Amino acid sequence: SAVISQKPSRDICQRGTSLTIQCQVDSQVTMMFWYRQQPGQSLTLIATANQGSEATYESGFVIDKFPISRPNLTFSTLTVSNMSPEDSSIYLCSVEKAGAYNEQFFGPGTRLTVL
Amino acid sequence: GDSVTQMEGPVTLSEEAFLTINCTYTATGYPSLFWYVQYPGEGLQLLLKATKADDKGSNKGFEATYRKETTSFHLEKGSVQVSDSAVYFCALRGGSNDYKLSFGAGTTVTVRA
Repeated sequence: SAVISQKPSRDICQRGTSLTIQCQVDSQVTMMFWYRQQPGQSLTLIATANQGSEATYESGFVIDKFPISRPNLTFSTLTVSNMSPEDSSIYLCSVEKAGAYNEQFFGPGTRLTVL
Repeated sequence: GDSVTQMEGPVTLSEEAFLTINCTYTATGYPSLFWYVQYPGEGLQLLLKATKADDKGSNKGFEATYRKETTSFHLEKGSVQVSDSAVYFCALRGGSNDYKLSFGAGTTVTVRA
C-alpha cells in the first residue's frame, strides 16, 4: 500500500483566487493522478501528473485552469486557478506503485469551498 | 468510451441482511474491475478487484465476480453490519496501458441495527 497525505485538508476561498493542493507519498511511485469529486457526484480524473514533464489532462480539463507539478517521485501539486463556486469539490490525489499493477491508492482528499 | 453504470441508492438495510449492489460496464478490450468504499469521513479505499473474466474478488465478507458475458461486476455480502455503512463505487480500468479509472456514480448504503 501507500500512505498519502494531502494539504490542506479543507479550505474556503473567495472567487477569483487560486489554491494549491499538495500531495505527498511515503514512497516512490510510478504514477500520480488528480481526481475531482463534485458534491454528490462520482470521481472524475483531471490529469495524470508526469514526473519531469507536463501533465496529461483529460477532456474538459486544461492546464491554465489546473496547473500541475510533479518535481519528483513522491510529490505533486494541483493548483485550482481563478476559482468560481463551480470549483467547489473534493480534490483527491491517487498513486500507483511499480509492481502493484492495477491498484490505485487514494489520499484523504482536499475539500474546497469557493464563495 | 469506457463507462460504468451502478445501481442508484440510497440503500437502507437491517443488520444481517443480504446486500447486492449492481454494476455493469461498457469497455473495449479487457478491463480490470474494482469496488472502492468510502466510509463516513474517510478517504477512498480499494475493497476488492478482479482482473479477468470469471475472477472473483473478495474482502471483508464482500464478493464480486467478473462476468464478461453479462458485462457485470455485482457486489454482494451475505450479512451486513452497521460498520458497512458507506458509499460504494464500482470502477473499471482499461487495458494495460490505460491508467485511468472510470467510476460509477456511487451507492450510499446505510445499515441499521
